[in-house]
Amino acid sequence: GAVVSQHPSRVICKSGTSVKIECRSLDFQATTMFWYRQFPKKSLMLMATSNEGSKATYEQGVEKDKFLINHASLTLSTLTVTSAHPEDSSFYICSARDVAGRIQFFGPGTRLTVL
Amino acid sequence: AQRVTQPEKLLSVFKGAPVELKCNYSYSGSPELFWYVQYSRQRLQLLLRHISRESIKGFTADLNKGETSFHLKKPFAQEEDSAMYYCEKYAGNNRKLIWGLGTSLAVNP
Repeated sequence: GAVVSQHPSRVICKSGTSVKIECRSLDFQATTMFWYRQFPKKSLMLMATSNEGSKATYEQGVEKDKFLINHASLTLSTLTVTSAHPEDSSFYICSARDVAGRIQFFGPGTRLTVL
Repeated sequence: AQRVTQPEKLLSVFKGAPVELKCNYSYSGSPELFWYVQYSRQRLQLLLRHISRESIKGFTADLNKGETSFHLKKPFAQEEDSAMYYCEKYAGNNRKLIWGLGTSLAVNP
């Protein structure tokens, strides 16, 4: 099956710094990638839809200047958490969808801790 | 606003008992419905989708357009079914993804 990787798997940073998370589709081309945030009680929040070669579409309530998304190629999307604060600490998950389907293939997630 | 509702945050059953995880969605033409599952310490993965009409790991889900539901069912739950289950709707007309908040299924021995 299709494989999606995320890097890093875990990151700890100081408040005020920026953190970049990469999402890669390893064996297929993903025209669309999605970024999610998973909260401690496991609820899943879609943050944004990342389209290759165009601007990301953000969900209501998600600050686009805070969470910068770049989808520069058909296999890579990045999420940059700018000026991170402790409340940004969370589990961030990406997924990718291939050209043909509606199915999402998920990455393993990135645990961000902001001190 | 479009919605996907999973009314149970937690569902606890005994091994061998039938299980039904509920999912209701707001009507929007011809949506596509999915169930995704996340086992402990594993990534989210597709369990099944309504258009394939298949049974995966003993689970089935039928799209009921009249009741706007897509409940996930299994006649005999197993301990390894314990996981977090999410219902998702893809509204193709505006390409929206709508997720339920998830149901944690605990199958007790």
